[in-house]
Amino acid sequence: AQSVTQLGSHVSVSEGALVLLRCNYSSSVPPYLFWYVQYPNQGLQLLLKYTTGATLVKGINGFEAEFKKSETSFHLTKPSAHMSDAAEYFCAVSERINKFYFGSGTKLNVKP
Amino acid sequence: GAGVSQSPSNKVTEKGKDVELRCDPISGHTALYWYRQSLGQGLEFLIYFQGNSAPDKSGLPSDRFSAERTGGSVSTLTIQRTQQEDSAVYLCASETRGMTEAFFGQGTRLTVV
Repeated sequence: AQSVTQLGSHVSVSEGALVLLRCNYSSSVPPYLFWYVQYPNQGLQLLLKYTTGATLVKGINGFEAEFKKSETSFHLTKPSAHMSDAAEYFCAVSERINKFYFGSGTKLNVKP
Repeated sequence: GAGVSQSPSNKVTEKGKDVELRCDPISGHTALYWYRQSLGQGLEFLIYFQGNSAPDKSGLPSDRFSAERTGGSVSTLTIQRTQQEDSAVYLCASETRGMTEAFFGQGTRLTVV
């Protein structure tokens, strides 16, 4: 069975600081992995995804994530936080043709 | 349409009334999901439709909740005898099998008073 764990329901960083949002998953087969972002009062939009190939994937707004099979992790990072990054971030896993499983989300607060 | 469309965007209803929430997925997408997002909570899976297969209803919280998908396209989520704890944003998403990305609608904000 698949599952996704996001450590930390709330993360607070200062503007310009490193952003690190953690995601661990369990999957019985090589997974597809995703990060979605949800800005206030909006739906979710895809930030980046890993399917096959290069394990370091780059997404929009300067975010990137690295698939580490040995650690079953797909942590999201951004070198320098911007105020506009304040949002809720969701990690998700799917086993290709099966349904998506989402983590519980991490709310990112960026302090000026 | 170009994206997943949900209606209404906001719904206020009295406790005990029934409500219907609609989702128009992206044309051609075979899979459709309903999620619930309560205040301060993460995404709660409700139901999953994939083509003509039997839906995965494992996330429906009670028998007051039901959903159908007509003609493999539009879906309606029905909540009977609404309760205050049903207040939440209900999100719909669709994807094409193997497309590896789910596209979300803007959600319906349901408030039960």
